[in-house]
Amino acid sequence: SQKIEQNSEALNIQEGKTATLTCNYTNYSPAYLQWYRQDPGRGPVFLLLIRENEKEKRKERLKVTFDTTLKQSLFHITASQPADSATYLCALVDSGYALNFGKGTSLLVTP
Amino acid sequence: KAGVTQTPRYLIKTRGQQVTLSCSPISGHRSVSWYQQTPGQGLQFLFEYFSETQRNKGNFPGRFSGRQFSNSRSEMNVSTLELGDSALYLCASSLGSTRGYNEQFFGPGTRLTVL
Repeated sequence: SQKIEQNSEALNIQEGKTATLTCNYTNYSPAYLQWYRQDPGRGPVFLLLIRENEKEKRKERLKVTFDTTLKQSLFHITASQPADSATYLCALVDSGYALNFGKGTSLLVTP
Repeated sequence: KAGVTQTPRYLIKTRGQQVTLSCSPISGHRSVSWYQQTPGQGLQFLFEYFSETQRNKGNFPGRFSGRQFSNSRSEMNVSTLELGDSALYLCASSLGSTRGYNEQFFGPGTRLTVL
């Protein structure tokens, strides 16, 4: 069966450090992968989309890598700030074009 | 541009009742998708509508249904409510022109509690 796995344990880091979140998937052949941010009580907000042939993509302090051989994406936030505290979700499109989400990883950045 | 709006924001129902949730997408967006979010299962895809046609459906029972109107507004209906239907229901809109590729713009959700 298809699975999208994100670290269920919360990630606690100190302000200014780089946060790295992992998304692993099985039984997908994704052409692209998306990352979203979700704050408590709110809907997810789109952050980045990376194509299978784009190994790495950057947007301001965010960097995403996509390794289709390892079936893994890494999401980095550099110079993290308390305002970056949220749950981060990765999402893949299945063969029926439905967008499937991982359960997300909670990030807490402390001053 | 106004974002995705969902009504109502909160709803309390009892088992066996039915409920209708409404979603107004961003102007110009033709695709509307619905998701159910629970602490245990995370965010799960319910269905997608594009130009008034259901284009995709997730693995949910037939009690969950939806429709889309000519102005792209969408409604989702759940009949014969069960306790397990308690969840945050999220609506997302996108341009929808390239299936699976467009970023999703989510609404704030409707929090449904079934007693």
